[in-house]
This record gives sequence, C-alpha cells and structure tokens, in this order.
Amino acid sequence: NAGVTQTPKFRILKIGQSMTLQCTQDMNHNYMYWYRQDPGMGLKLIYYSVGAGITDKGEVPNGYNVSRSTTEDFPLRLELAAPSQTSVYFCASSSFRGSATNEKLFFGSGTQLSVL
Amino acid sequence: GEDVEQSLFLSVREGDSSVINCTYTDSSSTYLYWYKQEPGAGLQLLTYIFSNMDMKQDQRLTVLLNKKDKHLSLRIADTQTGDSAIYFCAAAFGSGNTGKLIFGQGTTLQVKP
Repeated sequence: NAGVTQTPKFRILKIGQSMTLQCTQDMNHNYMYWYRQDPGMGLKLIYYSVGAGITDKGEVPNGYNVSRSTTEDFPLRLELAAPSQTSVYFCASSSFRGSATNEKLFFGSGTQLSVL
Repeated sequence: GEDVEQSLFLSVREGDSSVINCTYTDSSSTYLYWYKQEPGAGLQLLTYIFSNMDMKQDQRLTVLLNKKDKHLSLRIADTQTGDSAIYFCAAAFGSGNTGKLIFGQGTTLQVKP
C-alpha cells in the first residue's frame, strides 16, 4: 500500500533553475495539497486541488505552479528557483467530502530542496 | 487572520506525562487535529476532536478542548522514547470549509531515558 509517493527525496538547485516535484497517490482521493515546511514555522499551504482539472492557491503560491490532469498526480513546478524556496516540501491527499467530515490528511515523506 | 500557535520545545523523562499545548484564533473551527512527525518522515494523524466535544481519549492520548479560551492540548501518558517527535496542532477554519488546514509551528518533544 504505497499511499502518497513523492520524488525526488533530495535536490539541490542553482538560482534560476527550474524543476518539478512529483506527487502521486493511489487512494483515489479527490483532494491533494502541497505544503512547505520551514524550520520553526510549521507547514504553509502552497496550492491545493479539489479534483482533476481544478487547482487553487493556498497561503504562499508565489513562485510555484501546479496542475492536476489526473486524480492520482499533482506535480509542483518551480520555474525560477530562488534561495527563499529552500525548504522541505510535502504533498498530501485526503478523501474530504465537505464540512461535516474530518480532513484526515495522508502525507508523503517529503522533498528536501536547497537553492544555492 | 487565522492562526495556530504552539510552544516550540518540551522535554520530559521516560514514564512521565507530556502535555503539549496549542491556541487558535478562529472559534468556527469544526475539527482540530494532532499530527506527529518523526525524523525524515511526513506527518501522520494521531487524533482529532470535533468542536462540540471537550475531551477525547484514545489509549495513552487525551485531547482537551477549551473553546472559550480557544485552547487545545494533547496529553501523552507514560511517555516513551519512541514518542520523541514533532507534534503539530492543526485546525480547519471557517464555515466555508474546503478541507484546508492551518498548522501550528510544531512542538519538538524530547523524551529522556
């Protein structure tokens, strides 16, 4: 049972380079999320998606793009990497169905990204 | 805006109880959550409480909710070295609930043998 799978686990980028962080889930969850985790700052929501073809901005979307062409995949794209994007990135999914249900999130193991 | 606050560090001895505290700003939160993050791993849901409850117990874990003070706590009884991790409080805010959570900064729990 794979759950939420993220690749790569580690990456070093030079300023101005681009890359895509991959995320896939095999639980048929409608909701998927990208968070970044900075030391002592908790998790901040970058983008989320409520289903295939639908994405929306979270708290800190600047410098990132996402797409959701299938239920399973939710890649995060960094177009022009900056040192401020050095962080640990987590993808998550949930079977959220509305305000009467709880939002149990299933997390991937994270991608540690350094921009130098 | 919406916010969730936690203290950053707690150290206890093995066998003692641990109490991790959290405050939040939005009284309309429907569910409040505790997640655990072990080194090098993603977050895992530990437990959650619905906003119309005051307390929830799940084996060694007790969650207390004080809605008046907007205060949430997680008590771990008989703390073990395997409980050493970062614990995150999280809340879903607003009546237009869309499945988004706001996380606190995380409390690092250190358990000394």
